[in-house]
Amino acid sequence: GAGVSQSPSNKVTEKGKDVELRCDPISGHTALYWYRQRLGQGLEFLIYFQGNSAPDKSGLPSDRFSAERTGESVSTLTIQRTQQEDSAVYLCASSVAWDTEAFFGQGTRLTVV
Amino acid sequence: KQEVTQIPAALSVPEGENLVLNCSFTDSAIYNLQWFRQDPGKGLTSLLLIQSSQREQTSGRLNASLDKSSGRSTLYIAASQPGDSATYLCAVRGGNNRLAFGKGNQVVVIP
Repeated sequence: GAGVSQSPSNKVTEKGKDVELRCDPISGHTALYWYRQRLGQGLEFLIYFQGNSAPDKSGLPSDRFSAERTGESVSTLTIQRTQQEDSAVYLCASSVAWDTEAFFGQGTRLTVV
Repeated sequence: KQEVTQIPAALSVPEGENLVLNCSFTDSAIYNLQWFRQDPGKGLTSLLLIQSSQREQTSGRLNASLDKSSGRSTLYIAASQPGDSATYLCAVRGGNNRLAFGKGNQVVVIP
């Protein structure tokens, strides 16, 4: 596609449920990032994928969070047993390589009620 | 840990004035710096990428300068327009490959 695509754009879920967020990077982009933006806060790094290397998971806030990426394609971010503090916009970005311009998707707004 | 600060946090300017947005970072060992724009409820739009070996980068009315040794970057927007109203984010990429973001400069251009 022309840009980074994220789905769903909005998700409302009940506390305790699991959610899965999807990111389709720009074709040919080897690097993929997930960030979280809480209301009124800055962007918080979650996880980074680079090609077939082991991902940098150091930003994941708890073991309820996990992410996968198959090769250089789609990535999914899964949050298990959601809590109200997980409410945020989850943003995905991709770049051709680790040191090139990053392009962001429109984000998924997650609301945990 | 890289800390990125953007000053001022918010500013309002009359249409036609030039905008000057500042970004500072604590660790000068960066590979590049990227400026983004974020409109309310939207994702981030890339504006400029400036490599660590560059002093400045220009795109239309936008000009970004980088002084890596002092840990500073400035984004200039010439002849501001109401459509420039948005939050501007600065992000630096260091040795850990991730982008470290500031909290942004919220800009309002008054017609």
